[in-house]
Amino acid sequence: QSVLTQPPSVSGAPGQRVTISCTGSSSNIGADYGVHWYQQLPGTAPKLLIYNNNNRPSGVPARFSGSKSGTSASLAITGLQAEDEADYYCQSYDSSLIGSRVFGGGTKLTVL
Amino acid sequence: QVQLVQSGAELKKPETSVMVSCQASGYTFTSFFIHWVRQAPGHGLEWMGILNPSGGSTSYAQKFQGRFTMTRDMSTSTAYMELSSLRSEDTAVYYCARAGGGTTGAAFDIWGQGTMVTVSS
Repeated sequence: QSVLTQPPSVSGAPGQRVTISCTGSSSNIGADYGVHWYQQLPGTAPKLLIYNNNNRPSGVPARFSGSKSGTSASLAITGLQAEDEADYYCQSYDSSLIGSRVFGGGTKLTVL
Repeated sequence: QVQLVQSGAELKKPETSVMVSCQASGYTFTSFFIHWVRQAPGHGLEWMGILNPSGGSTSYAQKFQGRFTMTRDMSTSTAYMELSSLRSEDTAVYYCARAGGGTTGAAFDIWGQGTMVTVSS
């Protein structure tokens, strides 16, 4: 059972907008620690997609955006493309666990 | 360019130990923390621990306390993880990842390519 909760799967047609939710608690997302999102393409290492809730590293398309409110965060992908089909993970810090970084269980995005 | 390069795949018997290396290049090794994250086949990401290469201090996820050790060799900019008393459930891809030290809970901005560790008799 992951500390952060994500839906197991989401899907959308090319060009559409999808969102992936990440629900935490008062000891992680709600404690104002940054939420980060990673994209993992099949057979590859995770790649940083969004950091500190809503910041994109250099090279990440503006189609990807993040937001946070209370104890939840969301990743939005607009203009869906076939190459976006991947697993997406949220991650944060949890103050109730010594030194602990926590991940969501991951969400499989299928482009129809 | 900035990268983390890990050692190759390992096949280990139960109750033995495995060591995986993670060599950093393209940046100052002591300026960023190194985390270890693993991913069992078909499962999600699991955080294992954090190493500060500057002073060598470590913090471990409670689940791995007692059988997981992180070290570093500053002369080669290499971080190491060792997991002992291996069992079949430890079969996974092990990743090292870099994170900034200036903010608690900074993101993992650079990842190694992963090392597959298989535990089987």
